[in-house]
Amino acid sequence: DGGITQSPKYLFRKEGQNVTLSCEQNLNHDAMYWYRQDPGQGLRLIYYSQIVNDFQKGDIAEGYSVSREKKESFPLTVTSAQKNPTAFYLCASSMRTGSQPQHFGDGTRLSIL
Amino acid sequence: EDQVTQSPEALRLQEGESSSLNCSYTVSGLRGLFWYRQDPGKGPEFLFTLYSAGEEKEKERLKATLTKKESFLHITAPKPEDSATYLCAVRAGRKTSYDKVIFGPGTSLSVIP
Repeated sequence: DGGITQSPKYLFRKEGQNVTLSCEQNLNHDAMYWYRQDPGQGLRLIYYSQIVNDFQKGDIAEGYSVSREKKESFPLTVTSAQKNPTAFYLCASSMRTGSQPQHFGDGTRLSIL
Repeated sequence: EDQVTQSPEALRLQEGESSSLNCSYTVSGLRGLFWYRQDPGKGPEFLFTLYSAGEEKEKERLKATLTKKESFLHITAPKPEDSATYLCAVRAGRKTSYDKVIFGPGTSLSVIP
């Protein structure tokens, strides 16, 4: 079945450490997104990519980085510059950035050790 | 400022007790309103897209409606398996290669047997 796979499901970060969250899709979608979800808040966009080798900052990109070397993959790195990384991270995709709905993965929960 | 709010924040219903969830929005140039269901520890699952005032969509016990300033998600005779957080999202802006999607904070629904 087609879908989005995020891994790992749980991740712990030590002080000063960079960590990378994986997102893979087999839906043949051009557009991919990373969101952050905090309790009581709506999803906030970190980065999005419309096509391979291209990506744009969202509303809260500081302290994060991404790459899009393959259509299927859009990994997110949470750098040590992100001072409050504890959150639920969701990856999504859609056929194009102007199209809906977005299909979501089952998330990665990142915590600080 | 573009904004999406949802009410109530949490709702507790007896099985079979019908009710409605509200999504209010203030955006410039609505280009679609979306409802998602999110189970704990999972990614959002798409339910409906509404594009214009007066439009309605139904799926099993759920019916979504749209006016010029808000949307309602009506739940008829809910069952315990309808318990989840329901998210509303709005796509807004001029027709460009990327239209911003704004998510509300969600309504947490609990259906008690």
